[in-house]
Amino acid sequence: DTEVTQTPKHLVMGMTNKKSLKCEQHMGHRAMYWYKQKAKKPPELMFVYSYEKLSINESVPSRFSPECPNSSLLNLHLHALQPEDSALYLCASSQGLAGVEQFFGPGTRLTVL
Amino acid sequence: AQSVTQLGSHVSVSEGALVLLRCNYSSSVPPYLFWYVQYPNQGLQLLLKYTSAATLVKGINGFEAEFKKSETSFHLTKPSAHMRDAAEYFCAVSDSNYQLIWGAGTKLIIKP
Repeated sequence: DTEVTQTPKHLVMGMTNKKSLKCEQHMGHRAMYWYKQKAKKPPELMFVYSYEKLSINESVPSRFSPECPNSSLLNLHLHALQPEDSALYLCASSQGLAGVEQFFGPGTRLTVL
Repeated sequence: AQSVTQLGSHVSVSEGALVLLRCNYSSSVPPYLFWYVQYPNQGLQLLLKYTSAATLVKGINGFEAEFKKSETSFHLTKPSAHMRDAAEYFCAVSDSNYQLIWGAGTKLIIKP
């Protein structure tokens, strides 16, 4: 299985809602990532988990809260988002951190009303 | 600090013509370099990677890239473009913290 899966595919939420994005991989990868991608832009790194521990938080607002329940799962909890948070949220995984390729999921298209 | 420059936000070629997408990087350490493709409304797919083995790297879908240290370049080529190659292409370099530094992307347009 060489796939990263993400659910849901699309999400529309109001600014007062709480929702979660889910990501799963079964490649035995020990690093997992959340990216945010705006239209016509490259991905922006949000968080990195290595061996289920948060290793990088790129100064992301606290309304985004990551969670890594186990080595295969990665969640992103959303609360009190702003319309400017509307974007494609991509999950990725890699075998390690050092110079290896990242495998991306299809993304969740988030719209904040 | 590492950086990546992709020359041309849009590149248009005719079907069957040579595809050339340019990528220049700066890196203070021997670089790991990657090309990713993103089809509309999809995630990113790795096309190929350079990790200091052969300088000419072959990837999927007929793409290849040549690492030229003297020119700090890692241009992506394909001999003959297909309509299905229309997508956004991103070049990336792995920085000293092993995170990916991305170029701005090049949209490849294929004319019939």
